[in-house]
Amino acid sequence: EAGVAQSPRYKIIEKRQSVAFWCNPISGHATLYWYQQILGQGPKLLIQFQNNGVVDDSQLPKDRFSAERLKGVDSTLKIQPAKLEDSAVYLCASSLDGGRIGGEAFFGQGTRLTVV
Amino acid sequence: GENVEQHPSTLSVQEGDSAVIKCTYSDSASNYFPWYKQELGKGPQLIIDIRSNVGEKKDQRIAVTLNKTAKHFSLHITETQPEDSAVYFCAASREGGATNKLIFGTGTLLAVQP
Repeated sequence: EAGVAQSPRYKIIEKRQSVAFWCNPISGHATLYWYQQILGQGPKLLIQFQNNGVVDDSQLPKDRFSAERLKGVDSTLKIQPAKLEDSAVYLCASSLDGGRIGGEAFFGQGTRLTVV
Repeated sequence: GENVEQHPSTLSVQEGDSAVIKCTYSDSASNYFPWYKQELGKGPQLIIDIRSNVGEKKDQRIAVTLNKTAKHFSLHITETQPEDSAVYFCAASREGGATNKLIFGTGTLLAVQP
């Protein structure tokens, strides 16, 4: 079974530029998550989708971050404009159905963003 | 808000020894507690999990215990090997709720010395 795919693996941009990350979850997984992992810290949830609807985006800085999940499958996360403090690894994860028992989350390799 | 504390932040053991990592959670409604292993440059990998209806779970050299009353859970690795070296994260969530987001601890860097 293929895992969660993310691209690009690395990205370096200047502050105030924009950037987009892409995620393809495990086939058949209804729930998709975007987490932000700052160096030396645990991942923090940015947004959770159930199919193509948003379940939780309470921690998403909506003035600069946006995300969408096209047709309930792939997802993109965008930052515009980027700030220095956005430097982090952005992890995508998916689970079969996050709302019921047995919804273990599987993570992709992440995109390492450096804002200079 | 919800919080998960994890200790120690770093742990160095000799190959063959045991390693124990402890976590405490604040949300009493949490009912699912996974442990993830993260190697350099990779995403977190689920290694074991436990739900609130059991107190202990074991999978070969790895075991997890849960004390719901004290809101503590721990990861135990026996007969450690160099390939166990990685960062380990505990997490807590509410399965079956409107949102089951994982609240992660701050991580433990485990170094197994050959």
